[in-house]
Amino acid sequence: GESVGLHLPTLSVQEGDNSIINCAYSNSASDYFIWYKQESGKGPQFIIDIRSNMDKRQGQRVTVLLNKTVKHLSLQIAATQPGDSAVYFCAENTGTSGTYKYIFGTGTRLKVLA
Amino acid sequence: GAGVSQSPSNKVTEKGKDVELRCDPISGHTALYWYRQSLGQGLEFLIYFQGNSAPDKSGLPSDRFSAERTGGSVSTLTIQRTQQEDSAVYLCASSVGTGSFSPLHFGNGTRLTVT
Repeated sequence: GESVGLHLPTLSVQEGDNSIINCAYSNSASDYFIWYKQESGKGPQFIIDIRSNMDKRQGQRVTVLLNKTVKHLSLQIAATQPGDSAVYFCAENTGTSGTYKYIFGTGTRLKVLA
Repeated sequence: GAGVSQSPSNKVTEKGKDVELRCDPISGHTALYWYRQSLGQGLEFLIYFQGNSAPDKSGLPSDRFSAERTGGSVSTLTIQRTQQEDSAVYLCASSVGTGSFSPLHFGNGTRLTVT
């Protein structure tokens, strides 16, 4: 079946360094992608999204890169802070044919070391 | 409130009992989703409502699970004859609607424990 997966289940980075979280998706028809951050005991929180007609989008301290050729998505966090420690999920949505089931991966845990 | 609200935040029930989980989406959001998240796992799609259209129930794991959405707003997820494997966090999300590329906004979930 279609799936969204993550390469690294746990990522540890030093405070102040940049973090890169990767995600592979399998549905070539997917045209909308989202990164979520989930802290313990809370629901996923929207970080940034990107449509398939773009290959890069920047937010505040975050950048999402999309490589449709290899079906790869990444989230870059600049100057990682302790508050960035959380589990990060990527999600894909086909946005077509009236079916909008977002597919989530198992997540990557980001640990920020002081 | 400004966000998606779910109640209760925690629910402990005995095996075989029925439970109802409630979701209040963001006002004006026409799409509503239920997901299940087991410990340390990703989000498993359960059901999706869009406006007055028939819901997409393709993710419901068994006929013990059902959901309804009244008046296009509040939704209730019902689990009958609960089993221990139903223990998980049940997350509700809403979005502006389909036809536009709009992200899901999640509530903080209901943690269900079946003893």
